[in-house]
Amino acid sequence: EDQVTQSPEALRLQEGESSSLNCSYTVSGLRGLFWYRQDPGKGPEFLFTLYSAGEEKEKERLKATLTKKESFLHITAPKPEDSATYLCAVQAWTGRRALTFGSGTRLQVQP
Amino acid sequence: SQTIHQWPATLVQPVGSPLSLECTVEGTSNPNLYWYRQAAGRGLQLLFYSVGIGQISSEVPQNLSASRPQDRQFILSSKKLLLSDSGFYLCAWTGGGAIETQYFGPGTRLLVL
Repeated sequence: EDQVTQSPEALRLQEGESSSLNCSYTVSGLRGLFWYRQDPGKGPEFLFTLYSAGEEKEKERLKATLTKKESFLHITAPKPEDSATYLCAVQAWTGRRALTFGSGTRLQVQP
Repeated sequence: SQTIHQWPATLVQPVGSPLSLECTVEGTSNPNLYWYRQAAGRGLQLLFYSVGIGQISSEVPQNLSASRPQDRQFILSSKKLLLSDSGFYLCAWTGGGAIETQYFGPGTRLLVL
């Protein structure tokens, strides 16, 4: 069974204080690992898809990396508008088409 | 560009009442469609997915059902709601093929009293 564990559950940063969010996964053949951002009361917003170990993708202050067992979402010099819940999900090559999600990391960036 | 709609945005229903939530996608054809439920502070749980009209796969046996009467329309239903059906319901779509990135709708907040 595919599993995704995200840590920490919650993270409070000062504006400009860089940090990383962790996503550990177990999947029977990784088809893709996905990062989403979710604001309160809204649907998840797609950020990145990573397909193979060693791959990296960047978008503004966010950078996602992937190894064979985990992914990191690095946030550089965050701003208050980066406050949100960040969700990680995996999709396997075999079986069900849907994504298996972690419980998310709630990020709060204080000015 | 593609757009996904869900309605209603918020719903308060009594226990035992029926339910119908609707999801529609614009700007694409033959999408794969998904219904998820998100409990407070938890990850998304897949409920149903569909690869075409009339084709529904259920992931979790429960009080809910899904239908796909048209290519870009996905409906989540219940004949009698339970308290445990409360949650945030999200619809998502993918274009199929090699790239399976799922794009989510705005969600429906359901409170069963």
